[in-house]
Amino acid sequence: EVQLVQSGAEVKKSGESLKISCKGSGYSFSSYWIGWVRQMPGKGLEWMGIIYPGDSDTTYSPSFQGQVTISADKSTRTAYLQWSSLKASDTAMYYCARLVATSGNYFDSWGQGTLVTVSS
Amino acid sequence: QSVLTQPPSASGTPGQRVTISCSGSGPNIGSKTVNWYQHLPGTAPKLLIYSNNQRPSGVPDRFSGSKSGTSASLAISGLQSEDEADYYCASWDDSLHGVVFGGGTKLTVL
Repeated sequence: EVQLVQSGAEVKKSGESLKISCKGSGYSFSSYWIGWVRQMPGKGLEWMGIIYPGDSDTTYSPSFQGQVTISADKSTRTAYLQWSSLKASDTAMYYCARLVATSGNYFDSWGQGTLVTVSS
Repeated sequence: QSVLTQPPSASGTPGQRVTISCSGSGPNIGSKTVNWYQHLPGTAPKLLIYSNNQRPSGVPDRFSGSKSGTSASLAISGLQSEDEADYYCASWDDSLHGVVFGGGTKLTVL
C-alpha cells in the first residue's frame, strides 16, 4: 500500500526557519515525483512545486519560486519543504502527494497534511 | 485567481444528479488531461477522476468525468449526503510547467 506520512503540526514565529517532511512507503520512492500543495485557511488548493527523488530534479510554481525550498533524500525515502524565514501569511495546511506522470499528471496518493501556524 | 475556473458552489438533494464545470485554456485543459479531487474537511484530498474520465479503484461509478475542448465537467449521480465536500479540478499546464488547480466547488447536499 502506498503511504505518505507527514511530520506533525508546527507553531512558529515570523522570521523563524522550518523544514517539514513527507516519508513515502509501499512503492519505489525514487521513481515518482512528489508534489507539495498549500491550502490557506478557507481557501483552495495551490500547487507549490514537485521534486523527482531519483535525481532531485525540482520544478517550482512561479508563485512559490524563491519563497520555499523543496528537497528529497532517497536514502530515507523522505521529501522536504522548507522556509528560511517564515511569514504570518505562510500559515496554512501543507500536503505532499505522489504524482503519476505516465498517463497524464495526477496526484494519486496524499499525505495527511501538516498544519503550519506562524504568529507575528 | 486560479488558472482553472470552477463555480464556487453547487447543491442538490439526495438522489439527484449534479454537475460541476471546470474551464481552462489551451496550455492546460485544451492539450492535457483533467483530474478531479474530492476534499472532505479535516482529511487529505482524494483522487476521484483521472485522465478525464477514469475512476481509481474504489471510487463509485456514480462519479464520472468528461472533457471537451478547454472545458471539463464532473457529474455525480444518485447524490448522497456523504458526497458533501469540496471538489477541485486540476490539469498540467505546459506554459507554467506545473499543476494548476481550479478554485474549488463546495457541494452541499440539501
